[in-house]
Amino acid sequence: DTEVTQTPKHLVMGMTNKKSLKCEQHMGHRAMYWYKQKAKKPPELMFVYSYEKLSINESVPSRFSPECPNSSLLNLHLHALQPEDSALYLCASRKEGGRTDTQYFGPGTRLTVL
Amino acid sequence: AQSVTQLGSHVSVSEGALVLLRCNYSSSVPPYLFWYVQYPNQGLQLLLKYTTGATLVKGINGFEAEFKKSETSFHLTKPSAHMSDAAEYFCAVTDYNQGGKLIFGQGTELSVKP
Repeated sequence: DTEVTQTPKHLVMGMTNKKSLKCEQHMGHRAMYWYKQKAKKPPELMFVYSYEKLSINESVPSRFSPECPNSSLLNLHLHALQPEDSALYLCASRKEGGRTDTQYFGPGTRLTVL
Repeated sequence: AQSVTQLGSHVSVSEGALVLLRCNYSSSVPPYLFWYVQYPNQGLQLLLKYTTGATLVKGINGFEAEFKKSETSFHLTKPSAHMSDAAEYFCAVTDYNQGGKLIFGQGTELSVKP
């Protein structure tokens, strides 16, 4: 099973709202990622977690706050977002090591900021 | 630094025709290369990958790709296009120096005409 799940599938929020995106995998992967994807563009990395610790933050604004409560779960907390933050947010987990090194993506959360 | 270039942002083929999507990479280390497909409003699905070993790799849905080190290429092919192949295709390489993040090409939108 190579499934990464994401909830919610769609989210509409105002600029003053606080919301959270959730990502879950049960493949035992110890690296997890958040990507942001605008229409007709490739995904852009936001954060990398390795063994539940934040290892990379690609200069993401502080209105995005990631959290990794355990090895299976990744959250992205959203606060005071801007309309330009509307995008597809993708979570991925990575099976590390040699020939099997692969990132598996979830279905994404389509975020609209009004 | 690693990079990926996909030639042609849009490719159109007739149903039953050969599909050829081009990908060239730049990497200072032996690359791990991937092709992902994205259907509208969905996440990325792994089509195939090259890590080590055989340079001709077969993936899902009848796709295959050949790693050519001398040409720094990893082109994706399918002998006979099907209407259901219409989607966005991304070529990617793993960046080991950045937490294993994927460096994506700009994507190629494949259209299939009846």
